[in-house]
Amino acid sequence: QLQLQESGPGLVKPSETMSLTCIVSGGPIARSGYYWDWIRQPPGKGLEWIGSIYYRGTTSYMPSLKGRVSLSVDTSRNQFSLRLSSVTAADSAVYYCARRGRGYDYDDAFDFWGQGTMVTVSS
Amino acid sequence: SSELTQDPAVSVALGQTVRITCQGDSLRTSYASWYQQKPGQAPLLVIYSKNIRPSGIPDRFSGSRSGKTASLTITGAQAEDEADYYCNCRDRSDLLLFGGGTQLTVL
Repeated sequence: QLQLQESGPGLVKPSETMSLTCIVSGGPIARSGYYWDWIRQPPGKGLEWIGSIYYRGTTSYMPSLKGRVSLSVDTSRNQFSLRLSSVTAADSAVYYCARRGRGYDYDDAFDFWGQGTMVTVSS
Repeated sequence: SSELTQDPAVSVALGQTVRITCQGDSLRTSYASWYQQKPGQAPLLVIYSKNIRPSGIPDRFSGSRSGKTASLTITGAQAEDEADYYCNCRDRSDLLLFGGGTQLTVL
């Protein structure tokens, strides 16, 4: 059974850069047809897609975060990471990592999720 | 438009049928996936593609698409179905879109 686990600091100061890592166990991150995504959820609000990365390094980002967000993957450690720079209080959220099966017919699905980690931006 | 729109809240009597909808231009050419989220938990995939249920999801959950509207139907809603439901799709720009979520109350 595939498992994903987010790790990283729960408190980040405004204007700093936050970094989170998602450790994948129970299966390889380097598997054709699957992407590795980050999704966040501010307290009391809905889900917001941040970006995705393929094991070969191809990335895609939410337009409103472009310039501040960067994803990377380490296939040797079976993990992928998120860096978000110049954070503000608006970036406070539960951050989830998830695996996405990419469908040929635009029928993608996030089939495995981490439990989520709360990141608070505050001085 | 690159948005998905959901009704904020829907209610259903125990044992009755409820339909949760998701609207967006991207749904004309992309399939929605649906996620159930209970308080304090990560989202759970319940329906994707052409009405496919992952293993362990009860068959009272079903999905459909018509025009720019995707629907999640729960036939015979149970108390444990009370949750937030989110739709999602990948648009033709390869961006992933989420609806704002629908809070389902089972009366």
